[in-house]
Amino acid sequence: SAVISQKPSRDICQRGTSLTIQCQVDSQVTMMFWYRQQPGQSLTLIATANQGSEATYESGFVIDKFPISRPNLTFSTLTVSNMSPEDSSIYLCSVADSLTGGYTFGSGTRLTVV
Amino acid sequence: GDSVTQMEGPVTLSEEAFLTINCTYTATGYPSLFWYVQYPGEGLQLLLKATKADDKGSNKGFEATYRKETTSFHLEKGSVQVSDSAVYFCALKGTTYTGANSKLTFGKGITLSVRP
Repeated sequence: SAVISQKPSRDICQRGTSLTIQCQVDSQVTMMFWYRQQPGQSLTLIATANQGSEATYESGFVIDKFPISRPNLTFSTLTVSNMSPEDSSIYLCSVADSLTGGYTFGSGTRLTVV
Repeated sequence: GDSVTQMEGPVTLSEEAFLTINCTYTATGYPSLFWYVQYPGEGLQLLLKATKADDKGSNKGFEATYRKETTSFHLEKGSVQVSDSAVYFCALKGTTYTGANSKLTFGKGITLSVRP
């Protein structure tokens, strides 16, 4: 199955700043998904990123706050902009895995905003 | 829309006890169903899956059967180990495989602690 390298693994950021999270996949994939896992909560999809087109955002998430890039079929970034303490979460990227029929996740980025 | 409901946690068991974690879902058509596990400090890993009614997914001693009539996908293990301590998420993928509709919908997750 696909292997995803996600970084940084964790960061502590000042409010008002931005953080860019990177995900590199070891194979070409059509869609990449970005999720947020708030403390003690489940995973919520932020957006779906297709190569060559704008990301599709879920209700409650906007491009100005969470801009996404997808420059090629193996790489994507998610930026958390103008951060506030409410953005403290784990952010994960994911791709569909044709071998398992499931989805593979990156190891996550644990973000703390102070 | 699609939704997944998991039993409330946390769950604490003694080693070798029997485990059942309940999961029910709401979805149109015939979704695919998954169990994911998140060990402490790690990312999510696919534990098992089922893609159609009456399918049984199994892995590492865990099993779950896709029950269309009760819209359930309960996770079971006959004898848990300390190493099974983790957070378990039930999830579904809708039947419309286009764009954002390919997303996974997750339950809230349940923390399992197994004591020696």
